[in-house]
Amino acid sequence: QTALTQPPSASGSPGQSVTISCTGTSSDVGGYGHVSWYQQHPGKAPKLVIHEVSKRPSGVPDRFSGSKSGNTASLIVSGLQAEDEADYFCCSYAGSDNFVFGPGTKVTVL
Amino acid sequence: EVQLVQSGAEVKKPGESLRLSCKGSGYNFANHWISWVRQMPGKGLEWMGRIDSTDSNPKYSPSFQGRVTISADKSISTAFLQWSSLEASDTAMYYCARFGVSHGLDVWGQGTTVTVSS
Repeated sequence: QTALTQPPSASGSPGQSVTISCTGTSSDVGGYGHVSWYQQHPGKAPKLVIHEVSKRPSGVPDRFSGSKSGNTASLIVSGLQAEDEADYFCCSYAGSDNFVFGPGTKVTVL
Repeated sequence: EVQLVQSGAEVKKPGESLRLSCKGSGYNFANHWISWVRQMPGKGLEWMGRIDSTDSNPKYSPSFQGRVTISADKSISTAFLQWSSLEASDTAMYYCARFGVSHGLDVWGQGTTVTVSS
C-alpha cells in the first residue's frame, strides 16, 4: 500500500492561518470522500478534528476546516492559538476495507 | 459518557504472547466498528485493522495481516488485539478507536504501551 504524504512541519504566528496538505493517489484520497484529520498533543491520544473531508465533529472549533482537490486533501487552521500546537495526521480510506495514515505534520505556533 | 478504556501497560519478552483489551461504555458497542492503531516511539500513526462486533469479522491492513489477531466479544463490549509471538519491533503504543458514522475515528482509548525486550 502506498503512503500518504504530508509536510513534516508547518508554523504560523498567533492569529494567522496554517494549511497542511495530505497527498495520496486516486486509490485513496482522490478516489473516496473518507478523509479525516487528527490532532495529537504530546503524550495524549489523537483527537478527531475533521471527517469526511470537511465535516467538523461537535465541539471542534470552526477555526478548523478541511477541503480536497484531486488527490490532495488539506486541513486549514485559521486564527492560530497556542493550544493548536500539536501533530496533525491525515487518514484516508484506501479501498478493500483498508485505511492509511499520513506521516504527520508538526504545527508550531511561533 | 462515551469512552473506550484499554488494558494496562505490558512488558514482555520476545516470543511471548499477548492480548490487549479495549472496553466500550456509554454507547451501543455493536453499532460501531473498533479499529486498532499503532504508534511506534516517536513515530506516526499506523492503521492496523478493525472489527465489527456484530459479525466478528476482522479486516486487516496488509502491513499487519498475519502478524496480529483482532477480535471482539459484544456481550462484554470489548475488543481485543493479540499476538502469538511478540518481537522487539512490536514495542509501541497501541490505541483502540471507535469508527463514527462517517469513517472518522471519533472516540479513542487512552492507549496501551507495549514493551518487548529480552
